[in-house]
Amino acid sequence: GENVEQHPSTLSVQEGDSAVIKCTYSDSASNYFPWYKQELGKGSQLIIDIRSNVGEKKDQRIAVTLNKTAKHFSLHITETQPEDSAVYFCAASMNGGYQKVTFGTGTKLQVIP
Amino acid sequence: GAGVSQSPRYKVAKRGQDVALRCDPISGHVSLFWYQQALGQGPEFLTYFQNEAQLDKSGLPSDRFFAERPEGSVSTLKIQRTQQEDSAVYLCASSLRDRQETQYFGPGTRLLVL
Repeated sequence: GENVEQHPSTLSVQEGDSAVIKCTYSDSASNYFPWYKQELGKGSQLIIDIRSNVGEKKDQRIAVTLNKTAKHFSLHITETQPEDSAVYFCAASMNGGYQKVTFGTGTKLQVIP
Repeated sequence: GAGVSQSPRYKVAKRGQDVALRCDPISGHVSLFWYQQALGQGPEFLTYFQNEAQLDKSGLPSDRFFAERPEGSVSTLKIQRTQQEDSAVYLCASSLRDRQETQYFGPGTRLLVL
């Protein structure tokens, strides 16, 4: 089955700096890669996703890159703000049938004001 | 409220008790998923429903875990004879169609088994 590894497990950045979270996956058949932001008491929110036919996707301060050959993808948050502090999970899933998602172990991001 | 809701939000159970966790998916969503998230870990798949049909229960850790979605909307995850290792956050997610990738998660139920 799919295995997703995520690094780092914790990340502290100064407000305004950039944050990068990296993930690798094992199954080359995976073709959909969502990122979730998990805040205490608020559940998990999809913040951005990318499909395997795209190398990069950007949404305001958030961007995701995908390297299919190397089987890794990364989340980039620029101009970080205190409200970006949360746990971020990467995930991978395969198209065809339902989306059985395999999650990484999470990165706790702390943005220091 | 248009999101996925779960109840209770917190549950403390004595070892050996049975518990039932409820998930109300977004109205009209066909697919429903249950995940188990241990402390410091990512969510792990438990089971999947398409409408009322449970199409995959490969992630359920033991036969003490049972899930149902009898009318294709609300789902219940039941854990019988709870054990301490069942302590985790149980997440429910739904998606509009069986082939739509975006899953919308509920806030989870935090279960503590003493």
